[in-house]
Amino acid sequence: EDQVTQSPEALRLQEGESSSLNCSYTVSGLRGLFWYRQDPGKGPEFLFTLYSAGEEKEKERLKATLTKKESFLHITAPKPEDSATYLCAVRLKRSASKIIFGSGTRLSIRP
Amino acid sequence: DSGVTQTPKHLITATGQRVTLRCSPRSGDLSVYWYQQSLDQGLQFLIQYYNGEERAKGNILERFSAQQFPDLHSELNLSSLELGDSALYFCASSPGGGNTEAFFGQGTRLTVV
Repeated sequence: EDQVTQSPEALRLQEGESSSLNCSYTVSGLRGLFWYRQDPGKGPEFLFTLYSAGEEKEKERLKATLTKKESFLHITAPKPEDSATYLCAVRLKRSASKIIFGSGTRLSIRP
Repeated sequence: DSGVTQTPKHLITATGQRVTLRCSPRSGDLSVYWYQQSLDQGLQFLIQYYNGEERAKGNILERFSAQQFPDLHSELNLSSLELGDSALYFCASSPGGGNTEAFFGQGTRLTVV
């Protein structure tokens, strides 16, 4: 069964304390992996798309990487405004081209 | 502001009723996606339309249906509503039909009482 699992469920960091969020997936064929940020009561905001193992993308304090089984979202020297839920999603290669989201990691950055 | 507009923002209705949610995609985007987000199920992909045609289907119930019109706006119809249908419904749009990033609207919060 196709599955996307994110860990940890919640993460509390001190401002400036770097860390990583994990997204592991077991799917029959990966067309692409997406990272989104979601603030409470709002729609998800697109961050990155990764297509193949070894690929990396960066944006400000965030860096996303991809292997054959998982993706990491590295947060370097986070600030309180980085507090949000981070979601990863995979798009399957099958003709149905289904999209599966993980349950997210709630990130809280203390000043 | 993502450029995706959803109406209404809030909707309260009774069990057994039917509602229609509306989505206007970003200018130039051909794909529209519908998602349901509830506390216990997370974000669930329902369906995607590309330039008026159904492109991909997820966990959409038979009581739910969607369509995309020639002007590219989309509607999600929910019928025979149950308490468990209470959730946030998001629409997203993207330029292409394949593997491109999607931009989400602010959602419609549906409460079934």
